[in-house]
Amino acid sequence: DAGVTQSPTHLIKTRGQHVTLRCSPISGHKSVSWYQQVLGQGPQFIFQYYEKEERGRGNFPDRFSARQFPNYSSELNVNALLLGDSALYLCASSLPTGTGGEQYFGPGTRLTVT
Amino acid sequence: GENVEQHPSTLSVQEGDSAVIKCTYSDSASNYFPWYKQELGKGPQLIIDIRSNVGEKKDQRIAVTLNKTAKHFSLHITETQPEDSAVYFCAASHASGGSYIPTFGRGTSLIVHP
Repeated sequence: DAGVTQSPTHLIKTRGQHVTLRCSPISGHKSVSWYQQVLGQGPQFIFQYYEKEERGRGNFPDRFSARQFPNYSSELNVNALLLGDSALYLCASSLPTGTGGEQYFGPGTRLTVT
Repeated sequence: GENVEQHPSTLSVQEGDSAVIKCTYSDSASNYFPWYKQELGKGPQLIIDIRSNVGEKKDQRIAVTLNKTAKHFSLHITETQPEDSAVYFCAASHASGGSYIPTFGRGTSLIVHP
C-alpha cells in the first residue's frame, strides 16, 4: 500500500513569493495534518483537517492556510514568504477521528526561501 | 498548552548496548504517547506508542514505559544496531473534539557505533 505522498520534494522560493505544497493521504485515511520542522527541532503543528473541515490550527500567522479536497488530499499555502519559513514541511494522515491518534508522515517538502 | 521536554539531545552508544531516551510532559490530560524515528532525508516513522491505561509496552527490541503520576515516559532500545542510528522524537497528545494533535519533543540523535 502506498504511504503518504507529498509534492514537490524540494522547492526554492524568493522572499515575498507564494508557495503551494500538496499531500495525498494513505488510502482510507480521512484526516490530514500539516507540520513545520525546522532543522534540529521536532515537528510543529500547523493545521489539521478532517472531512474538509479544519479541526485544529497551530500558532502560525495568517499567511499560512490550507484546505482539504473531497478525495481527502490537501494543500498547504504560504503567502509572502519570509526567510524564516525555510523548513521541512510534513504532512501526516490518520484514520477517522476517535480511532486512536496514530499519525503517519510523508517524506516532506524541503522549502528554501532566499 | 502541552510542553514536552526530551533528553538527551545526543546519545552515542556501542553496537549491542542499550539506549534510553526520556521525555516529560506538562498536560495531565495527555493520554497518547507515540515515538517516532526519523532518518536523514525522510519523514518521521511511528515505531511504538503507549496509552495512559498501560504502564509498559514492548515490541521486539524496543519498549516504552509511562509514569502518569510523574508525567514522564521513556523509550528503551536493547541490543542496538547501526541501523538504529537516527533522530528519535517523543510526543504527547489527547483527544480534543475527536482529534489528536501531538506536541513533539526536540528530538534525540542516536548514534550507534559498530
